[in-house]
Amino acid sequence: AQKVTQAQTEISVVEKEDVTLDCVYETRDTTYYLFWYKQPPSGELVFLIRRNSFDEQNEISGRYSWNFQKSTSSFNFTITASQVVDSAVYFCALYDYKLSFGAGTTVTVRA
Amino acid sequence: NAGVTQTPKFQVLKTGQSMTLQCAQDMNHNSMYWYRQDPGMGLRLIYYSASEGTTDKGEVPNGYNVSRLNKREFSLRLESAAPSQTSVYFCASSEAGQGWGTDTQYFGPGTRLTVL
Repeated sequence: AQKVTQAQTEISVVEKEDVTLDCVYETRDTTYYLFWYKQPPSGELVFLIRRNSFDEQNEISGRYSWNFQKSTSSFNFTITASQVVDSAVYFCALYDYKLSFGAGTTVTVRA
Repeated sequence: NAGVTQTPKFQVLKTGQSMTLQCAQDMNHNSMYWYRQDPGMGLRLIYYSASEGTTDKGEVPNGYNVSRLNKREFSLRLESAAPSQTSVYFCASSEAGQGWGTDTQYFGPGTRLTVL
């Protein structure tokens, strides 16, 4: 069974629209870590954020924000006022006893 | 700081050929990892090294071997390449020394390998 599910395969928006990426995870552990990584067209993986299971405080960093809800096992990611440079594949990942990645969501921002 | 570097960036092999992918990090990290990325499957762990001198299998180790040459370098070897090993390979490192994964992993730029 998938431990990390990113139900959205592709999202296409026009610049300045907001984009929300869904991530649902599955684990039996009470201590775990969640990550978001960005993979731009150039191919490298860029770390965006890490949260631990005891910290449900949502976070905003510039145009990025994250919504962590243990009750629904979700760790969603929003890009506000999207820009063309946000076009990338975004991966959600879970560490419980190993690091598991979701399949990724491809975001295309059109000018 | 270069972070995590990988060589080569691209490689084409014929079935049965061997090759070694090189990875080095300059962040003084203890743990290093090799992943492969295939379309629609995210990243899957091949091998990891929690600390210098130790290596362990990940999710998809068959057909690969690794060497943790020193604290900085972690190489991945394909002894007899197969078309199923066509993929993008990523090396990563993290500060953790005991286990792995709880701290943040930083990735190299990747190696795109095609096996004909």
